[in-house]
Amino acid sequence: QKEVEQNSGPLSVPEGAIASLNCTYSDRGSQSFFWYRQYSGKSPELIMSIYSNGDKEDGRFTAQLNKASQYVSLLIRDSQPSDSATYLCAVRYSGAGSYQLTFGKGTKLSVIP
Amino acid sequence: DAGVIQSPRHEVTEMGQEVTLRCKPISGHNSLFWYRQTMMRGLELLIYFNNNVPIDDSGMPEDRFSAKMPNASFSTLKIQPSEPRDSAVYFCASTLLAGANNEQFFGPGTRLTVL
Repeated sequence: QKEVEQNSGPLSVPEGAIASLNCTYSDRGSQSFFWYRQYSGKSPELIMSIYSNGDKEDGRFTAQLNKASQYVSLLIRDSQPSDSATYLCAVRYSGAGSYQLTFGKGTKLSVIP
Repeated sequence: DAGVIQSPRHEVTEMGQEVTLRCKPISGHNSLFWYRQTMMRGLELLIYFNNNVPIDDSGMPEDRFSAKMPNASFSTLKIQPSEPRDSAVYFCASTLLAGANNEQFFGPGTRLTVL
């Protein structure tokens, strides 16, 4: 059973602080990792992808991957109220023809003005 | 550019009725995914197609669910007969498969309520 685990939250941070979101996965052979943001009543939208160990930065967002520990995280610097949403971690597992993603249940982030 | 298009956006039906959800993927994309999202179970993959061919339908909950993709620009998800536990938001997503970097673009979803 391929699993992706996230703390459901809610995670509350003050405006301007760093929000840290974490995700663990069960399959060591996983290849690709994604963070999606989902506003209430809307569809998920991709904000970050990461494929190799280490950090990947894009604006205020940094994705971190540690395959040995099987975790991936998302840091949001200078958090804004507009960042308040549910963040979904998604993992693409290895295997021939394996193109589907397995999603965690998401962490709800609330940025307090 | 038009994104993934889904219809209807909302559907309210009574138990036992047939429900058909529709999806038009982004032009040029060759892979299409149907998901169901509930509070309890999160976002679950139901079935996906590559080049109009169903590849993995292991997520389809039972025989009441069926999906088709008759051509590259249209797919349907049918529930017959519908039950109250089918109430959820159903998303369609599409992507252009290109190695590991295959971002999935989601449609706006169909909110289904079965009374």
